[in-house]
Amino acid sequence: DGGITQSPKYLFRKEGQNVTLSCEQNLNHDAMYWYRQDPGQGLRLIYYSQIVNDFQKGDIAEGYSVSREKKESFPLTVTSAQKNPTAFYLCASSGSSGLEKLFFGSGTQLSVL
Amino acid sequence: DQQVKQNSPSLSVQEGRISILNCDYTNSMFDYFLWYKKYPAEGPTFLISISSIKDKNEDGRFTVFLNKSAKHLSLHIVPSQPGDSAVYFCAASGELSFGAGTTVTVRA
Repeated sequence: DGGITQSPKYLFRKEGQNVTLSCEQNLNHDAMYWYRQDPGQGLRLIYYSQIVNDFQKGDIAEGYSVSREKKESFPLTVTSAQKNPTAFYLCASSGSSGLEKLFFGSGTQLSVL
Repeated sequence: DQQVKQNSPSLSVQEGRISILNCDYTNSMFDYFLWYKKYPAEGPTFLISISSIKDKNEDGRFTVFLNKSAKHLSLHIVPSQPGDSAVYFCAASGELSFGAGTTVTVRA
């Protein structure tokens, strides 16, 4: 069953701590994305990657880091530099044409303790 | 600067009636537009799309209209059903620009 998997579903971060959100896809998609959703707001792009070992900053990359060592995986690290990390994080993937629809994971809710 | 805008944060409609959701964009180079539907605590799912070479695309109860001169697109849902209650996002090609979303509530 092809799809995109995010884990964990809920995550809590202490002050000064880095946390990593997992995103795995078995759709053989080249492109992967991370979005952040705040209550009552839309999706804002954090980082995206169109090919292995390459990624670009989105609109709100500060305080976040990513890696793309494998086609299937695109983990997002929320660093201690991100002062307002509480949000719903969504990972997505798509084919490489740029016109293909995104497939989203079920999201990770990150909260600060 | 937001390139895709949904100016109506919410919409309430009676079951069986038409829901009309609107979306405006600023970049005339966008060549493909998509609508996504999202339930709480879940990821968005693709609903319907339209290429910029068309002005209408229909899929069952869902129709998207594109007015390139006005840089405006709309999603029509008819008839609206309770299961349509969700947040709807419009997005422009490349998936890098999403609107803020419109929350649709269908009343029984």
